[in-house]
Amino acid sequence: GAGVSQSPSNKVTEKGKDVELRCDPISGHTALYWYRQSLGQGLEFLIYFQGNSAPDKSGLPSDRFSAERTGGSVSTLTIQRTQQEDSAVYLCASTPRGSKNIQYFGAGTRLSVL
Amino acid sequence: AQKITQTQPGMFVQEKEAVTLDCTYDTSDPSYGLFWYKQPSSGEMIFLIYQGSYDQQNATEGRYSLNFQKARKSANLVISASQLGDSAMYFCAMREVQGGKLIFGQGTELSVKP
Repeated sequence: GAGVSQSPSNKVTEKGKDVELRCDPISGHTALYWYRQSLGQGLEFLIYFQGNSAPDKSGLPSDRFSAERTGGSVSTLTIQRTQQEDSAVYLCASTPRGSKNIQYFGAGTRLSVL
Repeated sequence: AQKITQTQPGMFVQEKEAVTLDCTYDTSDPSYGLFWYKQPSSGEMIFLIYQGSYDQQNATEGRYSLNFQKARKSANLVISASQLGDSAMYFCAMREVQGGKLIFGQGTELSVKP
């Protein structure tokens, strides 16, 4: 597929469990972003990867959240010891080189913590 | 701090009519980018239109145009000839100069009536 791919599309977990969310960016895109969208809200920035540079983690809400990007492509967002307030849609976006830096989004992973 | 404000939680428009969705922003950076995204009920964020802070002309993409008034710090989206498929949430966003992360408004829910 040509777009950003995220998996799983839906994830239901129990409070206290760890979860991993995956993002496959568009081939050749150099930058990758994670955002979180709580019910009825706008998007909240979490973390940003650009090439081999150190990621911008300034949006991660707590140390239970981490992310990595392997080989400059696929990224995994990990949430440890999930809490109910972590329930949200997690969206990934990637950006090609260029001055506009238009971000193209995946369909998201809907996380429900019971 | 950078901020995006969308003051219209919900809007209604008659099919085939034009509609304007409001967006104001606040930044002290001279260089920035402004974006509009559409989010249908499926959840995917779809890029619509981009305006650079130094662009002399308002951006247009098919039925979408961006009414950019730099002095007023507004970037309103105009949708001409509304279609039923335009019913969705619409988000205005601004890109930071450094890092490229997007800052989103709270969104406007547009409903197109037949």
